[in-house]
Amino acid sequence: GAGVSQSPSNKVTEKGKDVELRCDPISGHTALYWYRQSLGQGLEFLIYFQGNSAPDKSGLPSDRFSAERTGGSVSTLTIQRTQQEDSAVYLCASSLGRTRGEKLFFGSGTQLSVL
Amino acid sequence: GQNIDQPTEMTATEGAIVQINCTYQTSGFNGLFWYQQHAGEAPTFLSYNVLDGLEEKGRFSSFLSRSKGYSYLLLKELQMKDSASYLCAVRDYTTSGNTPLVFGKGTRLSVIA
Repeated sequence: GAGVSQSPSNKVTEKGKDVELRCDPISGHTALYWYRQSLGQGLEFLIYFQGNSAPDKSGLPSDRFSAERTGGSVSTLTIQRTQQEDSAVYLCASSLGRTRGEKLFFGSGTQLSVL
Repeated sequence: GQNIDQPTEMTATEGAIVQINCTYQTSGFNGLFWYQQHAGEAPTFLSYNVLDGLEEKGRFSSFLSRSKGYSYLLLKELQMKDSASYLCAVRDYTTSGNTPLVFGKGTRLSVIA
């Protein structure tokens, strides 16, 4: 595709339910990132995939959060037993994954609201 | 890990020049980025610095001093459309290779007439 695609664009769920957020990176990009952005705040790093290497999960806030990247392309971020503090915009970004100076391309994000 | 610090908010006048500062602390250093984010939109890349000095790109310039852990983004001839958040981000260096890009909380710039 032309850019990073995320779905759904909006998700409203009830506290305690599980949610899955999807990210389709730019074709050929081996690096994929998930970030979270609460209202008026900066980007909080969650998890980073680089090629076939083990993902860097150091930013995941709790064990309720997990992510997969199948076939080196599409990624799914899963939040189990959602809490109200999980409400935020979840942004996915991808890059070529070759050089340190390469820029990240961001998707439009998923707005998650936990009631 | 990294500590990245930048002012929360700034206001400047249309046509003026504004400088947004960013200080950081890293265990290693593998580059500093500036991104622009308009309200309700995804961040977009503005600049990248890995060596000391000034990188100029049109109305926007970015400066880096690695010894001081300091960068600034300079915006000239401000336009109303420059009203946005400006995010400073740093990439750390480890022996295992590329590390994730870590962002500061961003500086919300308001350009007024």
